[in-house]
Amino acid sequence: ETAVFQTPNYHVTQVGNEVSFNCKQTLGHDTMYWYKQDSKKLLKIMFSYNNKQLIVNETVPRRFSPQSSDKAHLNLRIKSVEPEDSAVYLCASDREDTLYFGAGTRLSVL
Amino acid sequence: SQLAEENPWALSVHEGESVTVNCSYKTSITALQWYRQKSGEGPAQLILIRSNEREKRNGRLRATLDTSSQSSSLSITATRCEDTAVYFCATVASSGSWQLIFGSGTQLTVMP
Repeated sequence: ETAVFQTPNYHVTQVGNEVSFNCKQTLGHDTMYWYKQDSKKLLKIMFSYNNKQLIVNETVPRRFSPQSSDKAHLNLRIKSVEPEDSAVYLCASDREDTLYFGAGTRLSVL
Repeated sequence: SQLAEENPWALSVHEGESVTVNCSYKTSITALQWYRQKSGEGPAQLILIRSNEREKRNGRLRATLDTSSQSSSLSITATRCEDTAVYFCATVASSGSWQLIFGSGTQLTVMP
């Protein structure tokens, strides 16, 4: 049963544009994450956000920023997309060491 | 380089056969998890096995953990077409902040 909702499913944009992806979880979890999955299925953690504490993977470019209004929402903003940003972006929340993922947003940068 | 790695990279079996995916990891862990990702979906947890456990079962799935060789395996018996997916192992390091680090995945195809 899906409990982590991501929108949009797909997004196509051009280099330099700004994009924003939404994520909402209805599980009542305290911590949410963004992962990036490349074309080889490799999953890399980008951010974790818990009770207003943000932990950033130091390899994430500064054009990426998470935005949260409450513990159920964690959006992802990319200020000026680059071709290498083409990927699937997966949002997740966790409870007791288990991650619950959304279906992802596939970004294509032309 | 990845902290965890599955092998083989890909494999195919026929329905009803059994299959095993292996995982090797490079750091001291508190737990190891197996996830499955079907096409168009996010990963979903199959099994969580803690560092003091050697084996865990979940229906047709069986996971083992050998902390001395830093390896784990996931076996699926009586495979079905719907088992077709990418299988990931993921580790939680025993030091530092809690983060789930995923391996590169094994693509399993189950043919009719």
